[in-house]
Amino acid sequence: AQSVSQHNHHVILSEAASLELGCNYSYGGTVNLFWYVQYPGQHLQLLLKYFSGDPLVKGIKGFEAEFIKSKFSFNLRKPSVQWSDTAEYFCAVSTNAGNMLTFGGGTRLMVKP
Amino acid sequence: DAGVIQSPRHEVTEMGQEVTLRCKPISGHDYLFWYRQTMMRGLELLIYFNNNVPIDDSGMPEDRFSAKMPNASFSTLKIQPSEPRDSAVYFCASTLDAFGSYGYTFGSGTRLTVV
Repeated sequence: AQSVSQHNHHVILSEAASLELGCNYSYGGTVNLFWYVQYPGQHLQLLLKYFSGDPLVKGIKGFEAEFIKSKFSFNLRKPSVQWSDTAEYFCAVSTNAGNMLTFGGGTRLMVKP
Repeated sequence: DAGVIQSPRHEVTEMGQEVTLRCKPISGHDYLFWYRQTMMRGLELLIYFNNNVPIDDSGMPEDRFSAKMPNASFSTLKIQPSEPRDSAVYFCASTLDAFGSYGYTFGSGTRLTVV
């Protein structure tokens, strides 16, 4: 079974700082990768996804993620964060051998104005 | 489409009472998932259905929890009897295909407080 690790549980940044959230998964086969965002008091929303093609994926709100197969990683990046990016971010993986998304533990991002 | 619809949004109940949470998935989505989210344990998958059939309920914490999907447009998660440690946000999600290639669509959740 696959598993997902998010290294940073809490990240605090100032506005305009650059963001990179780490995500590593363990699975030897073909994977589908996702980042979800959960704004305070809201449900999870899809930020971006990868399942084939260009390993650099662009999502909504200026976010992007890069799939590095050799490192089993799918890190989330944003060049300049805003206060409105304060949220919890979840990395998730599914495989072509099954149909469940496995979520990481989440990273809480706080952006100071 | 209105998305995944959950009800109620908030539920406060006394310990020992029965609680029923409801979910209406997106029409045409063959998979439905129930998750529980707490500060301590994060996001946990409780159970999921494919074409109304429960496939994996290994995440259901104990026999007090049960879930049903009587038809393609409705599912319930029941806790009987409820306990304070069941307090959490319960999310329902649905998806179209076997691999979740389009991601999951989550409902707004039910915040359950058991006092």
